[in-house]
Amino acid sequence: EAAVTQSPRSKVAVTGGKVTLSCHQTNNHDYMYWYRQDTGHGLRLIHYSYVADSTEKGDIPDGYKASRPSQENFSLILELASLSQTAVYFCASRPRAQDTQYFGPGTRLLVL
Amino acid sequence: GQQVQQSPASLVLQEGENAELQCNFSTSLNSMQWFYQRPGGSLVSLFYNPSGTKQSGRLTSTTVIKERRSSLHISSSQTTDSGTYLCAMERGQGGRALIFGTGTTVSVSP
Repeated sequence: EAAVTQSPRSKVAVTGGKVTLSCHQTNNHDYMYWYRQDTGHGLRLIHYSYVADSTEKGDIPDGYKASRPSQENFSLILELASLSQTAVYFCASRPRAQDTQYFGPGTRLLVL
Repeated sequence: GQQVQQSPASLVLQEGENAELQCNFSTSLNSMQWFYQRPGGSLVSLFYNPSGTKQSGRLTSTTVIKERRSSLHISSSQTTDSGTYLCAMERGQGGRALIFGTGTTVSVSP
């Protein structure tokens, strides 16, 4: 079973502060994704990457940056956190030759 | 507009009852996944089903591409089935990321 871990699992941040969410996968998957989920809604794509040192914008990239320094690690960066970025953030990975995405446990972010 | 629509939004069942959850797409389907989201929030992949019918235990997924729909059937529901069920379709471009529906919250009482 593919393993995707996220840290921190929860975080309280202040408005205007910088937040970094980290994702690590141990299965050498090519694709990695960041999604956010708001209460009562499905997940929406923020950024994704299909190779190390390269990231792509998803559907809602405004206010977020992403970094993929290695095959295993994918970070989501909120340079200036805002109240509207309070949500649960999920990281996922997928091997190139397969179709199933494997999700991490999520990070609950509360911006005050 | 919303490309993936799920129905119903919520469902209350008595243990032992069956249920059918629906997912409809407004664009051509590339592939379909069904997820179960635990009350604590973690996601569990149930099915990857681009077409046809797949079964796993009491769960059955059926995808009909030409009708742009997919369904998840729960038979003989149990209290442990309570949670949120999400369908997601894979986009053809954009790194094959998923477009999610808004989910169906299922509550099974004993």
